[in-house]
Amino acid sequence: GNSVTQMEGPVTLSEEAFLTINCTYTATGYPSLFWYVQYPGEGLQLLLKATKADDKGSNKGFEATYRKETTSFHLEKGSVQVSDSAVYFCAYLTGGGNKLTFGTGTQLKVEL
Amino acid sequence: GAGVSQSPSNKVTEKGKDVELRCDPISGHTALYWYRQSLGQGLEFLIYFQGNSAPDKSGLPSDRFSAERTGGSVSTLTIQRTQQEDSAVYLCASSPRWGSSYEQYFGPGTRLTVT
Repeated sequence: GNSVTQMEGPVTLSEEAFLTINCTYTATGYPSLFWYVQYPGEGLQLLLKATKADDKGSNKGFEATYRKETTSFHLEKGSVQVSDSAVYFCAYLTGGGNKLTFGTGTQLKVEL
Repeated sequence: GAGVSQSPSNKVTEKGKDVELRCDPISGHTALYWYRQSLGQGLEFLIYFQGNSAPDKSGLPSDRFSAERTGGSVSTLTIQRTQQEDSAVYLCASSPRWGSSYEQYFGPGTRLTVT
């Protein structure tokens, strides 16, 4: 069935380290892909998105590229900060556009 | 402008009681979604409303769950005869319209604890 698989956390990094959080999806057609972030004590916020193959979404130094051939949408950041500590969710929206399917979330902890 | 608001922020109820959770979407947004975030199941879609169309109820876990949206704005999610497995954070989101081009804006959630 349709699903999103993302790497389990927690991921603990030192400040300024390189970040990769893997995400792969199983879905029919060409879904739109998203990364959402949930900072401690706050609600879900859209971090970035890509709506077609080879698109790159970017925001706040984070990037992810829609790879149709590998059904992946890995999140990367070149230099993380303590303020990036949060839970990151990969998700896709079906062609019907009426619901998001989420991964289980990856907790990121960035330490000084 | 104001974002999506939900009330109450926390709700503790006894097993077997009914609860109502409220969502106020962003003004002018025609699409409204309910999701549930729980430790065992992650983030799950529950139900979706778009304008005056029939809602998509495909994610509701049982017939104890229902939702309505009055006047195309405020929505209420009702859980009857609550069970401990209903304990979760219930999230509401809205978007200008349905479709992949439209971001879903999430509210802060209602944390439901069934004792």
